[in-house]
Amino acid sequence: NAGVTQTPKFQVLKTGQSMTLQCAQDMNHEYMSWYRQDPGMGLRLIHYSVGAGITDQGEVPNGYNVSRSTTEDFPLRLLSAAPSQTSVYFCASRVDATNEKLFFGSGTQLSVL
Amino acid sequence: GENVEQHPSTLSVQEGDSAVIKCTYSDSASNYFPWYKQELGKGPQLIIDIRSNVGEKKDQRIAVTLNKTAKHFSLHITETQPEDSAVYFCAASIHTGGFKTIFGAGTRLFVKA
Repeated sequence: NAGVTQTPKFQVLKTGQSMTLQCAQDMNHEYMSWYRQDPGMGLRLIHYSVGAGITDQGEVPNGYNVSRSTTEDFPLRLLSAAPSQTSVYFCASRVDATNEKLFFGSGTQLSVL
Repeated sequence: GENVEQHPSTLSVQEGDSAVIKCTYSDSASNYFPWYKQELGKGPQLIIDIRSNVGEKKDQRIAVTLNKTAKHFSLHITETQPEDSAVYFCAASIHTGGFKTIFGAGTRLFVKA
């Protein structure tokens, strides 16, 4: 099993550009989530999904969209990138609602100029 | 919503000494408290966790204690080694149906050889 795979690893955008961060897991986990990591602020939850077709907002959802059309994939979309979205983004999955252990991908470092 | 505070933000110890990282949480409904270790360039990995019906849990050189009344929990690492150098995150969530794992800001641990 590859676990949680994130692409790309690095990305530079200009203000106003759009892009999608990809996340895929091959563990058949029901739950998937996106976090952003900023210095001194830890990991903040952006959006999460408890299953295909179901998504919900986390702590800092503004400026980001998600969808969950399959169990395996959970892409994060930035519709109009802003410098405040410069961060390291982590995708994480867990088995289901009763098993809280999170499995993280290796991250995407995003810079918005 | 839940808020998790973590101290210190940076900790430097001599190899062989002990390291202690402390966290407090705000939501009395939280009952699951994991600790994650993040090595440079990687995603966080779960190293130990504790549920609210347990006061202490040990796994070799690491232990976690929980004081539910005071709403704080701590990570203890004994006989520290250079490979323990990393960023450590505490977190809190609600078991079974709690989909928002809220993280502390992180502690950067340096173990000097």
